[in-house]
Amino acid sequence: NAGVTQTPKFQVLKTGQSMTLQCAQDMNHEYMSWYRQDPGMGLRLIHYSVGAGITDQGEVPNGYNVSRSTTEDFPLRLLSAAPSQTSVYFCASSSDLYGYTFGSGTRLTVV
Amino acid sequence: TQLLEQSPQFLSIQEGENLTVYCNSSSVFSSLQWYRQEPGEGPVLLVTVVTGGEVKKLKRLTFQFGDARKDSSLHITAAQPGDTGLYLCAGLLYGQNFVFGPGTRLSVLP
Repeated sequence: NAGVTQTPKFQVLKTGQSMTLQCAQDMNHEYMSWYRQDPGMGLRLIHYSVGAGITDQGEVPNGYNVSRSTTEDFPLRLLSAAPSQTSVYFCASSSDLYGYTFGSGTRLTVV
Repeated sequence: TQLLEQSPQFLSIQEGENLTVYCNSSSVFSSLQWYRQEPGEGPVLLVTVVTGGEVKKLKRLTFQFGDARKDSSLHITAAQPGDTGLYLCAGLLYGQNFVFGPGTRLSVLP
């Protein structure tokens, strides 16, 4: 099993550009989430989904959009990149909220 | 202000030593998890504790959930270099989502 697959692994954007971070899981998990990880701040929830067609905002949603058209895919869109969005982004999925399976992350730099 | 605090922030020890790291909050959690994260990788789930006072063992790692479900500890016996990493705790708030602590960065020197 591949688990949770994130692409790309690294990305450099210019301020104002948009892009989509891809996330796919093959475990038929209902719950999927996007987190960002910044030094000393732990993982902060951006958006989450409890099933196909259902999404909601987390702690730090501004500047990001998500959609969940299928159980497998949960892409994260940056609408207009800002330097404050420089971070490592993790996608995670869970079947029962007893534990997340995380992807290997996307390291994003906005210049 | 972090909802979950972890201490110590950094810990460097010699192989063979014992250590305990802590995860504390003023909030009550329905469950609490511990993850280990290595550089360039995502966190990997170690354990989930659900019942207040629960103790779980995973080889040389012992996890305890506080009686009031507000805190947890992770004890490692005879640490090995392979235990090196960032240890994260995450609490599930009732009816809400997981919140993560900032982590304890452990370095075990051979």
